[in-house]
Amino acid sequence: QKEVEQNSGPLSVPEGAIASLNCTYSDRGSQSFFWYRQYSGKSPELIMSIYSNGDKEDGRFTAQLNKASQYVSLLIRDSQPSDSATYLCAVRRTGNQFYFGTGTSLTVIP
Amino acid sequence: GAVVSQHPSWVICKSGTSVKIECRSLDFQATTMFWYRQFPKQSLMLMATSNEGSKATYEQGVEKDKFLINHASLTLSTLTVTSAHPEDSSFYICSARPGADNQPQHFGDGTRLSIL
Repeated sequence: QKEVEQNSGPLSVPEGAIASLNCTYSDRGSQSFFWYRQYSGKSPELIMSIYSNGDKEDGRFTAQLNKASQYVSLLIRDSQPSDSATYLCAVRRTGNQFYFGTGTSLTVIP
Repeated sequence: GAVVSQHPSWVICKSGTSVKIECRSLDFQATTMFWYRQFPKQSLMLMATSNEGSKATYEQGVEKDKFLINHASLTLSTLTVTSAHPEDSSFYICSARPGADNQPQHFGDGTRLSIL
């Protein structure tokens, strides 16, 4: 079982719609959760961090964490073509143990 | 805040050359830095984790004599690809994080290495 699993996609949504990206993790003791966006040919960019159960909103982005079910999700409201990218879920167990998912490719169709 | 600078952005060199890539945390002290490589349309692959002042920890399958990592200060880590060959051509990305537990990794812009 992989430490962090994401649906590789591709996920296509029309402009203005809500994009929903999901991630599950295997270690119940994981402590910190992050979403990164990676444009083609570029390095990952941190967009959200979440540490406790519930929702965390930042502009058009909402991260949701459910530790009991071991999943973390990212919602992108009012999706824009500029949101088209690969979204990486990252989980920190303890210390410097980070695990990245393989990423979900999102395409927002104008 | 949390800016990581990576240099150079692009390197093209002949087979057999050694190439050094620098990674600097500009506005925070990076207790730990990470080095990744990424092939086109593939996911990040962690190569090694380095802590300031100590030897790097390499992932299984990564040759430590081939990929030399030095983390001499809290703001600078270097990766040297020794005697590079065409199969070493890839996108190399560093990241850094402060020491506090919940801190994320912050990535540099990456170095695209092409070995002819």
